[in-house]
Amino acid sequence: NAGVMQNPRHLVRRRGQEARLRCSPMKGHSHVYWYRQLPEEGLKFMVYLQKENIIDESGMPKERFSAEFPKEGPSILRIQQVVRGDSAAYFCASSRAGADTDTQYFGPGTRLTVL
Amino acid sequence: AQSVSQHNHHVILSEAASLELGCNYSYGGTVNLFWYVQYPGQHLQLLLKYFSGDPLVKGIKGFEAEFIKSKFSFNLRKPSVQWSDTAEYFCAVNAGTGGFKTIFGAGTRLFVKA
Repeated sequence: NAGVMQNPRHLVRRRGQEARLRCSPMKGHSHVYWYRQLPEEGLKFMVYLQKENIIDESGMPKERFSAEFPKEGPSILRIQQVVRGDSAAYFCASSRAGADTDTQYFGPGTRLTVL
Repeated sequence: AQSVSQHNHHVILSEAASLELGCNYSYGGTVNLFWYVQYPGQHLQLLLKYFSGDPLVKGIKGFEAEFIKSKFSFNLRKPSVQWSDTAEYFCAVNAGTGGFKTIFGAGTRLFVKA
């Protein structure tokens, strides 16, 4: 199955630690999107990346959060100095092109728990 | 700003009942509309999507949705649900002509009693 892969599936961190979430897009896809889902809420857009470029980060918190999609390797969502409010499910999606009509395929998500 | 509203957070139906899940969006321009489903323990999967053309869209597993532009609605329907349709359903929208940001509704949890 060459779907979108995310790891780890579950991540537990203590307040103040760093969390690194990885996303490998589907084969042939060069566009990656990150979403956050808080309990009882829908998915909230965070950032859209192409290889080596951030296209739209309007949904990213201004501090502590960063994302990258290097030429080689997975996309990384990094959260520094985590706080309890960062506990959520983080989903990655990928698409072949960046057209608004292009279907996004989702990964299984990473559930982050901050103690 | 765009927003998506799903009317019901929880729906409980018996097998063979008909289903309609409401979805309204706020955006005045061209939109692309989606319904996604998340079965317990699984990924989000695309059920159906509307970009243009026939406003009645048919998706997988017998689902369909109708785009009514005048009502800013994109309701999901299925004539006869099955126990296996138990899942969470998300309506989503992105703006046409270059909108990369997809806005999701809060989701509707459907439980189908066998």
